[in-house]
Amino acid sequence: GDSVTQMEGPVTLSEEAFLTINCTYTATGYPSLFWYVQYPGEGLQLLLKATKADDKGSNKGFEATYRKETTSFHLEKGSVQVSDSAVYFCAFNSGGGADGLTFGKGTHLIIQP
Amino acid sequence: GAVVSQHPSRVICKSGTSVKIECRSLDFQATTMFWYRQFPKQSLMLMATSNEGSKATYEQGVEKDKFLINHASLTLSTLTVTSAHPEDSSFYICSARGLAEGGGSYNEQFFGPGTRLTVL
Repeated sequence: GDSVTQMEGPVTLSEEAFLTINCTYTATGYPSLFWYVQYPGEGLQLLLKATKADDKGSNKGFEATYRKETTSFHLEKGSVQVSDSAVYFCAFNSGGGADGLTFGKGTHLIIQP
Repeated sequence: GAVVSQHPSRVICKSGTSVKIECRSLDFQATTMFWYRQFPKQSLMLMATSNEGSKATYEQGVEKDKFLINHASLTLSTLTVTSAHPEDSSFYICSARGLAEGGGSYNEQFFGPGTRLTVL
């Protein structure tokens, strides 16, 4: 069945370190891929998305590339900040935007000064 | 930006009682709302999808008589957990997508902050 596998956390990094959070998916058809972020005490917010193969989504210094051949959508950032500390969720839907999302378990990222 | 609120943020109830959770879109019209459930250290699981004015579509394994969803207006959807039991304790999250003020539509879902339900 449809599923998302992402790195289990917590992931602890020092400020200005390079970040990679791995995400792979199993889906039928041609899904749209998303990264959501949840800051403490807040709801999930869309961080970035990609809707077709080889698309790169980017926002706030984060980026992820839709890799159909490896069914992956790894999240990267070149230099993390303390304010990036949050839980990050990889997700997809089956297309059209109207479908509900299938989520990974989330990765808790902790950035230390 | 589009804002979605949930009420209450936290509720504790006795086994056998019913609990209603509200999900509101504050600054846009939500033509579609989604309800998710999240267990500790687990991913969000889609429970149901509701379109304004029509019956909700439930995911496989979700009891529609247990989790009653009403989406009677473009800004409000409710989830009622009927005859709640301790195994229903969880974090319930709604999301919404729909029409932006001034025209156009949102392609993304906007999430509420969630409701923590504890059934004793």
